Amino acid sequence: KAGVTQTPRYLIKTRGQQVTLSCSPISGHRSVSWYQQTPGQGLQFLFEYFSETQRNKGNFPGRFSGRQFSNSRSEMNVSTLELGDSALYLCASTDRGTTYGYTFGSGTRLTVV
Amino acid sequence: GENVEQHPSTLSVQEGDSAVIKCTYSDSASNYFPWYKQELGKGPQLIIDIRSNVGEKKDQRIAVTLNKTAKHFSLHITETQPEDSAVYFCAASRYNTDKLIFGTGTRLQVFP
Repeated sequence: KAGVTQTPRYLIKTRGQQVTLSCSPISGHRSVSWYQQTPGQGLQFLFEYFSETQRNKGNFPGRFSGRQFSNSRSEMNVSTLELGDSALYLCASTDRGTTYGYTFGSGTRLTVV
Repeated sequence: GENVEQHPSTLSVQEGDSAVIKCTYSDSASNYFPWYKQELGKGPQLIIDIRSNVGEKKDQRIAVTLNKTAKHFSLHITETQPEDSAVYFCAASRYNTDKLIFGTGTRLQVFP
């Protein structure tokens, strides 16, 4: 079956702009989590959505937000982009009942100039 | 706060040798410990995981050990091959679908 699909793969934005990233989980997976990966801070948890509700949130400013749709697809939005937001944004899904934990997508590489 | 330390940051081995990566976690409530392999241009891929009620788990050339008392867990790769070259991340969470706290990663290079 298809894996976790993230679009777009690459994005270049200007400081101050906003951006929306998309994630389609594995079919049947209702939980979607987002992580930010940077060389300096490593992999950090942003938030998790399950059944269209945010269940958990990491330590990021309010400029980072997300949502989940009834088909479990999720989007994350970053407003008023800063240079430090340049990162690989990873989406991971799970069915919350499996013993296999999370499956990650290939990520969206965001560059803020 | 919650923290996972991972060592070493880089590891170079000859093909056929063993590789060991070690992690230490701070949250005593952690009971799920996955290991991920990340290749260039790809997302992390789960390669093995262990729960706190198990001390060791093996899957072919890969094994993970857990010492809950010391809050240590380790990844062991035997008979390394060039295709094992990647960045490996350990992680800890309170259950298998809770948020993951990742280590800082180990870049493993296996030389033919």
